[in-house]
Amino acid sequence: GAGVSQSPSNKVTEKGKDVELRCDPISGHTALYWYRQSLGQGLEFLIYFQGNSAPDKSGLPSDRFSAERTGGSVSTLTIQRTQQEDSAVYLCASSVGGGGGEKLFFGSGTQLSVL
Amino acid sequence: GENVEQHPSTLSVQEGDSAVIKCTYSDSASNYFPWYKQELGKGPQLIIDIRSNVGEKKDQRIAVTLNKTAKHFSLHITETQPEDSAVYFCAAHTGGFKTIFGAGTRLFVKA
Repeated sequence: GAGVSQSPSNKVTEKGKDVELRCDPISGHTALYWYRQSLGQGLEFLIYFQGNSAPDKSGLPSDRFSAERTGGSVSTLTIQRTQQEDSAVYLCASSVGGGGGEKLFFGSGTQLSVL
Repeated sequence: GENVEQHPSTLSVQEGDSAVIKCTYSDSASNYFPWYKQELGKGPQLIIDIRSNVGEKKDQRIAVTLNKTAKHFSLHITETQPEDSAVYFCAAHTGGFKTIFGAGTRLFVKA
């Protein structure tokens, strides 16, 4: 079946512009995560959605970052007034959402470059 | 909160040799420890996981061990092959939803 789909795969933008990154999770997965991976670094947690519950935004690095998930499916991560330090790969993952430790299914990511 | 440290950051082995990657975690309440493999241009993919009620788990050439007392867990790859070359991440899950990842180990397998 289809995996987690992210678009665009690459995004080049100018400093100060806004960008939107999209994630289509696996059908039926209630949990959705956004992670950021800077060059050569590990995965930094950004935000988590579970069903209709309020998202956990504790990992968002600044108020320029926001995310929403419409209809419990597709999610959009928005970065306003982009800065060069925002350049990274943004990874989306989904899981069944059973609440315990469980397998995350990752998309291939969006490589964001801020010039 | 949970903190996961991973060593080494880079590991180079000869084809056929074994590779070991070690991680430590800080939160004794962590109960699920997955390992992910990330190939170039792709997202991480789960390769093996272990829960806190198990000390060791094996799947063909890969195995994971867990020492809850010491808060250590390790990934062992035997008979390494060039296709094992990738970045490997350990992670720890402390109930709830949050999975905390280590910084990754870049494994090179030389033919």
